[in-house]
Amino acid sequence: DQQVKQNSPSLSVQEGRISILNCDYTNSMFDYFLWYKKYPAEGPTFLISISSIKDKNEDGRFTVFLNKSAKHLSLHIVPSQPGDSAVYFCAASVGNQFYFGTGTSLTVIP
Amino acid sequence: SQTIHQWPATLVQPVGSPLSLECTVEGTSNPNLYWYRQAAGRGLQLLFYSVGIGQISSEVPQNLSASRPQDRQFILSSKKLLLSDSGFYLCAWSDQRGEPLHFGNGTRLTVT
Repeated sequence: DQQVKQNSPSLSVQEGRISILNCDYTNSMFDYFLWYKKYPAEGPTFLISISSIKDKNEDGRFTVFLNKSAKHLSLHIVPSQPGDSAVYFCAASVGNQFYFGTGTSLTVIP
Repeated sequence: SQTIHQWPATLVQPVGSPLSLECTVEGTSNPNLYWYRQAAGRGLQLLFYSVGIGQISSEVPQNLSASRPQDRQFILSSKKLLLSDSGFYLCAWSDQRGEPLHFGNGTRLTVT
């Protein structure tokens, strides 16, 4: 059973505009949420995280929002750059276990 | 600084052959260690995780096993590979709860 879901397999955005990637989860015990960026044939790279006690965390162009009541997580990238083109995975953690979504392929069009 | 090494980068093995993938972490002690698999067009599936030497938790019953013979070494094995074992295998580590996972560069396994 997929506890973390990314329902949009792909997203295309114009350079300079905002990219919004979404993620839903089912397990209310998750207390730590993360976003990773992945290029082909490489391991995922950690981008940004948020604890369940917060609803927003910002790091440069990246902001993660958490809506616990809706069990929804989103990543905003502003402004989007061509180098942001990659697959983005959201993840959720409880204890020592991390569960990942299926990924969203972001293409930023120059 | 901490680094994670995973090898080999690519591997082609016939059905029924054994498998051994190795992962080591440097620059930290007593890390939590993980094996994930990404099958074609799918997400990252947690296979095994370990919080200490000899302590292995399995998430999905399957044809694979894991071992942690040393503090910073994690091994993924199989006695007989199946076609369905093909995929991209990733090793990862974390220091403690509330810290992110850090991944190796992965092994592309093709079972023929």
